[in-house]
Amino acid sequence: QSALTQPASVSGSPGQSITISCTGTSSDVGAYNYVSWYQQHPGKAPKLLIYEASNRPSGVSNRFSGSKSGNTASLTISGLQAGDEADYYCNSYTGSSTRVFGTGTKVTVL
Amino acid sequence: QVQLVESGGGVVQPGKSLRLSCAASGFNFSIYGMHWVRQAPGKGLEWVADIWYDGTYRNSADSVKGRFTISRDNSKNTLYLQMNSLRAEDTAVYYCARDSYTWTFPAGALDIWGQGTMVTVSS
Repeated sequence: QSALTQPASVSGSPGQSITISCTGTSSDVGAYNYVSWYQQHPGKAPKLLIYEASNRPSGVSNRFSGSKSGNTASLTISGLQAGDEADYYCNSYTGSSTRVFGTGTKVTVL
Repeated sequence: QVQLVESGGGVVQPGKSLRLSCAASGFNFSIYGMHWVRQAPGKGLEWVADIWYDGTYRNSADSVKGRFTISRDNSKNTLYLQMNSLRAEDTAVYYCARDSYTWTFPAGALDIWGQGTMVTVSS
């Protein structure tokens, strides 16, 4: 199972919005709504941001939103803040009952 | 509070075995599917394996299939990862994580994570 494709890095200024894409295939992202997004700060465990492609767990800021179209899922961060500087990963359930993570995106706040 | 605590990591020689444990507390462990995820130094996340809430079914990544076995003891609220025939490329921080779905196959989000335990495979 190949990793889902994410841009290596995305940057933006404070207050701006950025979008991170996550491209898979018709066997994973395109087949299911079981897509989730995670934020990971250096040296820390990942934290769930989005589940089922577009749902936000309680406690997660509404500045984070998710969507999916075809084989591509997207995470948008609006009102970018210094604390959003981190690595972001998407994850999808697959047709072989396994899971696959994205390649990861480093977000830099300029 | 809801918590997962991994243990069992360390330095091990290539070809040897190691068993990781993940102790769960603060929630009804027996109704949730569970996962192991690893992260090699400076690299991204890699899903390793999962197991149904009752241990009935389990799946693993091709990279560990036949070498790693996930299991659980619901009476002890503990998840395990038995790692055999270890290779240098298995060097990573290993996280256990809870699946958000209950009483069904673990296709949900990974909503609770442990702090991770480091495994180093080196001679």
